[in-house]
Amino acid sequence: GAVVSQHPSWVICKSGTSVKIECRSLDFQATTMFWYRQFPKQSLMLMATSNEGSKATYEQGVEKDKFLINHASLTLSTLTVTSAHPEDSSFYICSADARSSYEQYFGPGTRLTVT
Amino acid sequence: AQTVTQSQPEMSVQEAETVTLSCTYDTSESDYYLFWYKQPPSRQMILVIRQEAYKQQNATENRFSVNFQKAAKSFSLKISDSQLGDAAMYFCALINAGGTSYGKLTFGQGTILTVHP
Repeated sequence: GAVVSQHPSWVICKSGTSVKIECRSLDFQATTMFWYRQFPKQSLMLMATSNEGSKATYEQGVEKDKFLINHASLTLSTLTVTSAHPEDSSFYICSADARSSYEQYFGPGTRLTVT
Repeated sequence: AQTVTQSQPEMSVQEAETVTLSCTYDTSESDYYLFWYKQPPSRQMILVIRQEAYKQQNATENRFSVNFQKAAKSFSLKISDSQLGDAAMYFCALINAGGTSYGKLTFGQGTILTVHP
């Protein structure tokens, strides 16, 4: 089956610093990747849609200058949280669209803690 | 815009019993797909079952089956012979196959399922 990895699985950073999260499709090419944010016991909130070779499309209310998304290849998308603050602490999940069945394959998620 | 609603924040079931999780949705598109995802404590999203809107037959995957009522825009999940490993948060989700929201998953609020031994 299609596998998506995320790195790191857990990161702690200090307020004001930036942190990068990688999302890779390991055994398939993903034209489109999605980034979600999830708070405990809540649903997934779509942050942005990332297409290879083009600018990401952000959902309403998501600060594009704070959450930088790059989709440099068909197997890699990155999310950089810039000038992180404690309120950015959350669980970030990526998914990849394999285009075969409208199914999205999810990464294991990254827990971000900003101190 | 499409919406997905799960009205049961929490449900519980005895091991080996059957439980049904409810989901209603709304979309203006005629071509769409519906999914149930499971999120265990590890927080890895796992696809449980999918349903194509154009198919009248309800999807089934082993102990998991759906009751898809297209006119009522209802998509419930039935778990038979519940097991301890079924304990998780379950999300109902929808993807439109066309329109401006093409390819984007819309999730419901989620239902936390507890399985009692």
